[in-house]
Amino acid sequence: EIVMTQSPATLSVSPGERATLSCRAGQSVGNNLAWYQQKPGQAPRLLIYSAATRATGIPDRFSGRGSGTDFTLTISSLQSEDFAVYYCHQFSSWPLTFGGGTRVAIK
Amino acid sequence: QVQLAESGGGVVQPGRSLTLSCAPSGFTFDIYGVHWVRQAPGKGLEWVATISYDATETHYADSVKGRFTISRDNRDKVLFLHMNSLRGEDTAVYYCARDRGVRQLWVIEFWGQGTSVTVSS
Repeated sequence: EIVMTQSPATLSVSPGERATLSCRAGQSVGNNLAWYQQKPGQAPRLLIYSAATRATGIPDRFSGRGSGTDFTLTISSLQSEDFAVYYCHQFSSWPLTFGGGTRVAIK
Repeated sequence: QVQLAESGGGVVQPGRSLTLSCAPSGFTFDIYGVHWVRQAPGKGLEWVATISYDATETHYADSVKGRFTISRDNRDKVLFLHMNSLRGEDTAVYYCARDRGVRQLWVIEFWGQGTSVTVSS
C-alpha cells in the first residue's frame, strides 16, 4: 500500500494570501496524483488530476505540481470559499489511497 | 449534469448485513467505472471498492475484502455495495463516485452526497 502523507495538518492563511500544501507518497506514483477539496457537510470535489491538470470549472488560482513522490497544491490568492480540507489521492496502484488531509483555515 | 444518489444507509447491529445502492443520472452509466469511498466521523477519506464499467474488474480495500461486494446492473443503471459482517469501524458516510475515464479506470471525478451507515448495538 502506498502511504500518502500531507503537510501541514492545518494551514492558517489570510484571505488574499498564497497557500501551499504538500503531499508525499511512500513510493513513486508517477503523475497519478489528484487533489480534492471538501467543505463541511459536502462531498469532495475534484480540483486537480494527473498532478497538474485542473478539473472542469476549477479556477486558475488552483495549481498542482510534482511527480514521483513529492507534490504540491498551490492556491495563489485565497478566497473565502477556499477555506476547506484538501486531500491528495494516488491512483497509480491498488489499493487506492488518500492522504490524511490539510485543513486550510482563516488566519 | 452528473449526479449520483446513494441510498440504503442506516443503523445496523454488529455482524449484520446491509446493502447500499447508488443511482446515477446525467451520464451514460455503462461506460464508466465507479467507486465506493467512505469517511468515518471526523476522519479522512478511505477508498473501499471499485468496479470497472463492464464489471469484469473489481478491487477492494484490505479492510473490507471478503466482507463487502461491489456490483452493478448496467441494464437498470444501479451500483451496489453489499456489506456483510459489519463492524463498528465500518461506521461512516459512504460515497458513490464515478471515474473520469471512459471504459478504463483512471481517477475518481464525480461524487454523490453520501449515505450514512452506523454500526452499533
